[in-house]
Amino acid sequence: KQEVTQIPAALSVPEGENLVLNCSFTDSAIYNLQWFRQDPGKGLTSLLLIQSSQREQTSGRLNASLDKSSGRSTLYIAASQPGDSATYLCAPRGNDMRFGAGTRLTVKP
Amino acid sequence: EPEVTQTPSHQVTQMGQEVILRCVPISNHLYFYWYRQILGQKVEFLVSFYNNEISEKSEIFDDQFSVERPDGSNFTLKIRSTKLEDSAMYFCASSLRDRVFEKTGELFFGEGSRLTVL
Repeated sequence: KQEVTQIPAALSVPEGENLVLNCSFTDSAIYNLQWFRQDPGKGLTSLLLIQSSQREQTSGRLNASLDKSSGRSTLYIAASQPGDSATYLCAPRGNDMRFGAGTRLTVKP
Repeated sequence: EPEVTQTPSHQVTQMGQEVILRCVPISNHLYFYWYRQILGQKVEFLVSFYNNEISEKSEIFDDQFSVERPDGSNFTLKIRSTKLEDSAMYFCASSLRDRVFEKTGELFFGEGSRLTVL
């Protein structure tokens, strides 16, 4: 059974900082990995999808990397803004899709 | 932009009652999923559905749960006899392709249905 760990559990930074969120998973037999954002009481918004054959994927200020063999992915957020405050979830996809507990990010103005 | 829609947004029910949560996936998607999130906890996989049958299910998805695609657009989750511990946010998701076609497979989620069991 896939186990997904996200570090740190919570992060508070001043506006403008670059930051890295970490995700590790135990079963490297995945097809892709998706990063999501969840605002309080809301659904999950897809941020990035990395296929298992890819190493990196970029969307605007977000960059996600994947090292499938070591079971790691990172989400890099450049020039953070208060609107980035949310919980970020990592979900590697094998036979099913399991989520990490997330990193709760607060960006202070 | 196409989206996954879920109804109701919030349902309150008495323990032991049956509940049906409804989802309309994105129209050309072929794979459908239910997840749940108990307040303050992780998003948990329940079941995936393809070609009118369950393709994967988790240990949570026991005999009290069932899924159905009654017509060409709806995808439902039924809980036969609700328990207090079924109180959670239930998310529906859909994707165009699954693992076999590696190029896509991105999951799109609805806003969720909050179930409160009293």
